[in-house]
Amino acid sequence: DTAVSQTPKYLVTQMGNDKSIKCEQNLGHDTMYWYKQDSKKFLKIMFSYNNKELIINETVPNRFSPKSPDKAHLNLHINSLELGDSAVYFCASSQDLERGIQETQYFGPGTRLLVL
Amino acid sequence: GQNIDQPTEMTATEGAIVQINCTYQTSGFNGLFWYQQHAGEAPTFLSYNVLDGLEEKGRFSSVLSRSKGYSYLLLKELQMKDSASYLCAAMDSNYQLIWGAGTKLIIKP
Repeated sequence: DTAVSQTPKYLVTQMGNDKSIKCEQNLGHDTMYWYKQDSKKFLKIMFSYNNKELIINETVPNRFSPKSPDKAHLNLHINSLELGDSAVYFCASSQDLERGIQETQYFGPGTRLLVL
Repeated sequence: GQNIDQPTEMTATEGAIVQINCTYQTSGFNGLFWYQQHAGEAPTFLSYNVLDGLEEKGRFSSVLSRSKGYSYLLLKELQMKDSASYLCAAMDSNYQLIWGAGTKLIIKP
């Protein structure tokens, strides 16, 4: 039973294309996240989202947009891909953003995006 | 600003003990997490501290000092499979995790 799943695992595409990465969690969690991990291994939060609020990291270009059809899914859509978007993108989920105790995040396997 | 500092890389010997340090500066504080990330894989949760003191889980322990803005992860009886990056992350007042760049731990026989 996969707790947090992402598709695709690998994505190779040309500059200027639009692509989406899908994420699903079957943990019944309220909050989902998207992270970008670059070549230097920094994990940078891009978005956190629950059914009440979308929190956007202000440094994220507006070419990136999260879409949540329901509580178990948070997809990441990227427009006009650029070379610098090449990275590993991780989806994660946790029980409740505001609970504040033991907010363990469970990560998906990652999507390795390469923009040529 | 918010910041997490941890060493970039450490080397230790199989069977030994290693301590990975982390200092943090955040706007508010709601706990300190340690995650393990093997190359090419997702981070996995190791420990959580919100009060000063020690949390033990098998061969791994984590210690927090809130007054010093400091935590460390202690790994005992090192095994080759412990070779990985260890990520320190502090949760701020908005319940957002601020991540360090990770410490790459290399275990030698």
